[in-house]
Amino acid sequence: EAGVTQFPSHSVIEKGQTVTLRCDPISGHDNLYWYRRVMGKEIKFLLHFVKESKQDESGMPNNRFLAERTGGTYSTLKVQPAELEDSGVYFCASSLPGSEKLFFGSGTQLSVL
Amino acid sequence: AQRVTQPEKLLSVFKGAPVELKCNYSYSGSPELFWYVQYSRQRLQLLLRHISRESIKGFTADLNKGETSFHLKKPFAQEEDSAMYYCALSGFGNEKLTFGTGTRLTIIP
Repeated sequence: EAGVTQFPSHSVIEKGQTVTLRCDPISGHDNLYWYRRVMGKEIKFLLHFVKESKQDESGMPNNRFLAERTGGTYSTLKVQPAELEDSGVYFCASSLPGSEKLFFGSGTQLSVL
Repeated sequence: AQRVTQPEKLLSVFKGAPVELKCNYSYSGSPELFWYVQYSRQRLQLLLRHISRESIKGFTADLNKGETSFHLKKPFAQEEDSAMYYCALSGFGNEKLTFGTGTRLTIIP
């Protein structure tokens, strides 16, 4: 069974540019989450999709971040324009309906210079 | 507000010695507690959850509501236990996880 796939694994961009991260969850997993770990800090929740609907987006830092999950399959997280403090590792996770067990992707290391 | 505290950023233990990774939490309701682990060059994965009362890879964790703790323990450390360990919490009916900052465990051969 394929796990959660994230692309790209690394991205280096300049301040002010736009970056789009992609997450492909495990097939059949209605729940999809985005988390972020900034250097030296805890992994923080960004948002939660149930199928194509945003269930909880309370962790989104500001309106420079836009997440979508059209069709309830893969999800994208766009940062526009990127700032230095956006650097970190962005994790995607998915789970079956009603399950507490999250399956994480390998993460995208984002560096904003 | 919910919060998870892992006081040790780094922990080194000799092979065969007991291991205890500390985790304290604050939450106003009934929390669900988890331990996640990330081995070198692998993904973050669930190790165990308090509701299951299970032992995985020799690790156990007991939820102590009086002390608001969920420490992870193993009686005899093995080299393959070296990894980053995260304690996490979710509220009842809320699937969002709140993580601690993590503890890097190194087992000394």
